[in-house]
Amino acid sequence: DIQMTQSPSSLSASIGDRVTITCRASQSITSYLNWYQQKPGKAPKLLIYTASSLQSGVPSRFSGSGSGTDFTLTISSLQPEDFATYYCQQSYSTPTFGGGTKVEIK
Amino acid sequence: QVQLQESGPGLVKPSETLSLTCGVSGYSINSGYYWGWIRQSPGKGLEWIGSINRSGITYYNPSLKSRVTISVDTSKNQFSLNLSSVTAADTAVYYCARPRTSSTYYVFEYWGQGTLVTVS
Repeated sequence: DIQMTQSPSSLSASIGDRVTITCRASQSITSYLNWYQQKPGKAPKLLIYTASSLQSGVPSRFSGSGSGTDFTLTISSLQPEDFATYYCQQSYSTPTFGGGTKVEIK
Repeated sequence: QVQLQESGPGLVKPSETLSLTCGVSGYSINSGYYWGWIRQSPGKGLEWIGSINRSGITYYNPSLKSRVTISVDTSKNQFSLNLSSVTAADTAVYYCARPRTSSTYYVFEYWGQGTLVTVS
């Protein structure tokens, strides 16, 4: 299995902050990397697919980058509705997910 | 609007078989896509279980393959999950999901609300 490691596991930020979450794969997954947002009691929501493509309806303050083994999710200006847990997921082979990054209010 | 809804027992005894069904509305399973099951537990996080298409072709997570069966009933527009010989480690919220496109099997755009299954 390809292991996905996210960092940090949690962070505190303020409204308007720029937030960056990283995800590292245990081997190259080219660009087969997706990002999800999950709020308590809800199913994950697809934000970014194939590393940098913004899912329809997702605000443009979300962006993704990277290829190979290292990837980044950036929120350019954190909004109140962005406080949630974020997961990366590789779809290069048997899909696996990162452990999550919880974004909390500072 | 594609909607998925999981249903099934919320409590299963150890060593028994967990059985869930995912009802699909707003889209015909016969029209395509691979339909998946994913679970989420505090201990193991999010874990893909397996996926199935309208013809019954399945892909399973190797770590669960020996205990998993996924089936499809196109006449009822639903697909099902059976997980045998369950233990407490199988306690999780179980989600059914559909990918974003018919060629991106594992990019999950549509999700059910999830159902908590406790093994005890």
